[in-house]
Amino acid sequence: AQSVSQHNHHVILSEAASLELGCNYSYGGTVNLFWYVQYPGQHLQLLLKYFSGDPLVKGIKGFEAEFIKSKFSFNLRKPSVQWSDTAEYFCAVNEDTGGFKTIFGAGTRLFVKA
Amino acid sequence: NAGVTQTPKFQVLKTGQSMTLQCAQDMNHNSMYWYRQDPGMGLRLIYYSASEGTTDKGEVPNGYNVSRLNKREFSLRLESAAPSQTSVYFCASSLMGDRGYEQYFGPGTRLTVT
Repeated sequence: AQSVSQHNHHVILSEAASLELGCNYSYGGTVNLFWYVQYPGQHLQLLLKYFSGDPLVKGIKGFEAEFIKSKFSFNLRKPSVQWSDTAEYFCAVNEDTGGFKTIFGAGTRLFVKA
Repeated sequence: NAGVTQTPKFQVLKTGQSMTLQCAQDMNHNSMYWYRQDPGMGLRLIYYSASEGTTDKGEVPNGYNVSRLNKREFSLRLESAAPSQTSVYFCASSLMGDRGYEQYFGPGTRLTVT
């Protein structure tokens, strides 16, 4: 069965620090990969996704993620975080064809100190 | 566009009571989903509907039933609520269920079963 692991459950950073959130998945086939974000009191929304093509994908608000197939990883990065990035971040995976079941990681709570 | 709407926002039930969570989307999406979110466990899929007229079980379907009433609406029913069903419930929709289409989430329903 597919699974998604997010290595850090809680991260605290100061503004302007760099961010990297780890995500690994277990599935041998072709996958689609997503990062979703949930800001306090708001809906989950898509941050970025990998479908095919360039393994380095850029999303909203300066976030990017790199798909490394050999490592089954899709880590999220941002060079300089802001207080407004305080949120919970979820990595998610689904199979490329017929994959209606999206599997989510447990989430990482990021707190950015002003 | 309202996107994905859910009612109610909050609900308290006693063990054994029943209720239906309502979800509607106005984006003409084909696929709809119900998730529950529990601390440290991310989002887990309860049921999904790949298209109007079809429903399938997700990871944690026990104790729940669903109805895809039409293309817009997808309801989740708890026939006999249990304390283990205390959770935040999210409805989501996507244009298609696979091939990398992202999901759009509703605001959630916070359910407490005493």
